[in-house]
Amino acid sequence: DAGVIQSPRHEVTEMGQEVTLRCKPISGHNSLFWYRQTMMRGLELLIYFNNNVPIDDSGMPEDRFSAKMPNASFSTLKIQPSEPRDSAVYFCASSRSGLILSDTQYFGPGTRLTVL
Amino acid sequence: AQSVTQLGSHVSVSEGALVLLRCNYSSSVPPYLFWYVQYPNQGLQLLLKYTTGATLVKGINGFEAEFKKSETSFHLTKPSAHMSDAAEYFCAVSLSSNTGKLIFGQGTTLQVKP
Repeated sequence: DAGVIQSPRHEVTEMGQEVTLRCKPISGHNSLFWYRQTMMRGLELLIYFNNNVPIDDSGMPEDRFSAKMPNASFSTLKIQPSEPRDSAVYFCASSRSGLILSDTQYFGPGTRLTVL
Repeated sequence: AQSVTQLGSHVSVSEGALVLLRCNYSSSVPPYLFWYVQYPNQGLQLLLKYTTGATLVKGINGFEAEFKKSETSFHLTKPSAHMSDAAEYFCAVSLSSNTGKLIFGQGTTLQVKP
């Protein structure tokens, strides 16, 4: 199994530009999670989907952030416009059904975003 | 609200020494607890998890953790550290049994000295 795939691995952009991060979950997994990791705030859950439907987006910082999951094998996290404080490592994770008792979240390698 | 606190952002041990990483949680209901490891430039990998049953949980790479309800703790241990254990370790708690939402601690960086 290829695991969770994220692209790009590194992104450097200028303030005000649109940024799109991509994630391909493990085949057969029905839940997908987006996390952000910073030195100041640690690892935070931004949003998660179950069966392509957003279940909880309470962690999304503000309207500049949006996430979609058009099908079971693809999700995007978009920041528009980007700001320097958005600089972080963004992780995508997937699990088979999202039920904690029996499922493990598998993390991708992350996308390191730098906004200048 | 549930939260998790990891005591010590950096822990340094000698190779072969005991590893002890501390995690305390606050929860009004029985929690589900996890330890994840993050190697440099990689995503997180599950080490072990406690849901119900036996309070001593064994994980991968020789790690184990004990759930102590009276102390609201879930400390991670390994009898003998190896150089390859150098990484960042995260304790996490779930909000409920039927969602995928995890709350992570701030992480503890483990350094292993030769």
